[in-house]
Amino acid sequence: ETGVTQTPRHLVMGMTNKKSLKCEQHLGHNAMYWYKQSAKKPLELMFVYSLEERVENNSVPSRFSPECPNSSHLFLHLHTLQPEDSALYLCASSQDRKRTGNTIYFGEGSWLTVV
Amino acid sequence: AQSVAQPEDQVNVAEGNPLTVKCTYSVSGNPYLFWYVQYPNRGLQFLLKYITGDNLVKGSYGFEAEFNKSQTSFHLKKPSALVSDSALYFCAVRVLTGANNLFFGTGTRLTVIP
Repeated sequence: ETGVTQTPRHLVMGMTNKKSLKCEQHLGHNAMYWYKQSAKKPLELMFVYSLEERVENNSVPSRFSPECPNSSHLFLHLHTLQPEDSALYLCASSQDRKRTGNTIYFGEGSWLTVV
Repeated sequence: AQSVAQPEDQVNVAEGNPLTVKCTYSVSGNPYLFWYVQYPNRGLQFLLKYITGDNLVKGSYGFEAEFNKSQTSFHLKKPSALVSDSALYFCAVRVLTGANNLFFGTGTRLTVIP
């Protein structure tokens, strides 16, 4: 139990589908993150939310759309994805985004396969 | 620009032997350094971090890491490896300026041989 829960753990979707990844944190944190992990690449930060406000968007294609309805929940809406978007998507949270020493805690990840 | 290098994609060590997983960093300010471990089909688990103070940091599962400012390194160590330590290890750095986010290395796969 990591305190950050992601669903679904595995998702297979066609390129024309619309699906969503869900993340919930039970740690009382104020910041939440989406990362993408692809083989042989460093983890890529996609989005950062602090107190439900998006504070960073790292040039992510518009086919990925995040939503943060409250400080405990984070969604990643997926639409018309490409096969190269297949990866492990990791949600994470931290107490305060601005405090550099704070630890970022990760969920178990959602394995996405685009066919 | 901030960056982290893990020079070894793969490290093999015999069970019971000491292990070292290497990490070097390049930052423009004071670094905050982290180690994470990823077991197969799992997310990243936090192991330890260096913020300030003693250069030797102790973390979970008997791991420790030594911050060396002159060599810009933060190598992960354990005195006696277990088969269950086999996993993917990530070093990460965070700085006080800029986007204030974690920059990860590409990971080192540790295999402990029984």
